[in-house]
Amino acid sequence: QQKVQQSPESLIVPEGGMASLNCTSSDRNVDYFWWYRQHSGKSPKMLMSIFSNGEKEEGRFTVHLNKASLHTSLHIRDSQPSDSALYLCAASTANTNKVVFGTGTRLQVLP
Amino acid sequence: EAAVTQSPRNKVAVTGGKVTLSCNQTNNHNNMYWYRQDTGHGLRLIHYSYGAGSTEKGDIPDGYKASRPSQENFSLILELATPSQTSVYFCASDRGDSGNTLYFGEGSRLIVV
Repeated sequence: QQKVQQSPESLIVPEGGMASLNCTSSDRNVDYFWWYRQHSGKSPKMLMSIFSNGEKEEGRFTVHLNKASLHTSLHIRDSQPSDSALYLCAASTANTNKVVFGTGTRLQVLP
Repeated sequence: EAAVTQSPRNKVAVTGGKVTLSCNQTNNHNNMYWYRQDTGHGLRLIHYSYGAGSTEKGDIPDGYKASRPSQENFSLILELATPSQTSVYFCASDRGDSGNTLYFGEGSRLIVV
């Protein structure tokens, strides 16, 4: 059964700072990675997806993927208090519809 | 954006009682899922469905049943609720192709006393 490990468990950054979150899958056949963001008391919402090796940038958010090491990372530059949330990494393989989630990184951005 | 609605949003049940959590999606998605979320465990998959009439076991199906009577509706049933099933339950849906985004409902908070 695939496992998805995230680190760190929690992270505090100052407003305007850079937040870096990490995620690794245990499944050598992993094909897809997502990052979901969940604000307190709300449901998870997809933030970014990455399916190919390399980097993808959307505004202040950048994701990296290295399939050889089964590792993805999410970087948030110029962090804002509104970025404070639980960030969930998810992974799946092409031959299954099962998406496995990590336990999340709780990010707190201090004004 | 995909619309997934869950009911009830909050529920207190007694141990040994029956609980049904309902989920409705209006985007004609093929796949639907039930997850539970607990501190320290993240989101864990209980049951999922590829379409009307189908249900599949997820990673933690024990103590739960699922029903998909139509494309739009997917229910999670706890026949004999136990305190260990106290959690927040999320329903989600996607189109069914590989690599699709999951769209989540607002969540149902269940407390079993």
